[in-house]
Amino acid sequence: EDKVVQSPLSLVVHEGDTVTLNCSYEVTNFRSLLWYKQEKKAPTFLFMLTSSGIEKKSGRLSSILDKKELFSILNITATQTGDSAIYLCAVSSNTGKLIFGQGTTLQVKP
Amino acid sequence: DAGVTQSPTHLIKTRGQQVTLRCSPISGHKSVSWYQQVLGQGPQFIFQYYEKEERGRGNFPDRFSARQFPNYSSELNVNALLLGDSALYLCASSAAGGSPYNEQFFGPGTRLTVL
Repeated sequence: EDKVVQSPLSLVVHEGDTVTLNCSYEVTNFRSLLWYKQEKKAPTFLFMLTSSGIEKKSGRLSSILDKKELFSILNITATQTGDSAIYLCAVSSNTGKLIFGQGTTLQVKP
Repeated sequence: DAGVTQSPTHLIKTRGQQVTLRCSPISGHKSVSWYQQVLGQGPQFIFQYYEKEERGRGNFPDRFSARQFPNYSSELNVNALLLGDSALYLCASSAAGGSPYNEQFFGPGTRLTVL
């Protein structure tokens, strides 16, 4: 059965800290891995990764994929209170459907 | 440009009733997917539609059904509601159906509460 597992499930840090969120997967017919940020309702798209070893960056956020070890990490540097959210990792199979992990809840304290 | 829109935003129903949720994709997107997100968990795939045809179905009972209209909007129907159907129902649109390389963009969701 296809599976996506995120760790940790929750995390509390202080502003300015750097955090690393993990996502491992066992999905047949893997095609891409996506990261989303969910604050209240709609998950908002962060990154899509398809190739191993190529880092994607957007401001203080970056992500990388390891297709040999079947995992991805999402890094957030110099965290701010506005980064507090649930971070979702999802894997897309060859059909295009997304298989989500359970999410990591990040709380950034002032 | 308008993003994905969903209606209603909130809904309260009682067990055994039926509900219809609506979704309009981003202009130009032809694929709509539906997900159920129970509190504390990640979204679970329900259906994917592309060009009015069902392209995928998750592990949900036949009480769940959906359709896509010529303008690419979509409806999700749930019959004989159970308490366990209480969740946030998310709609996502993408440019093409069945392609794993198109980002899916989510709407704000419909919060369904079954009493």
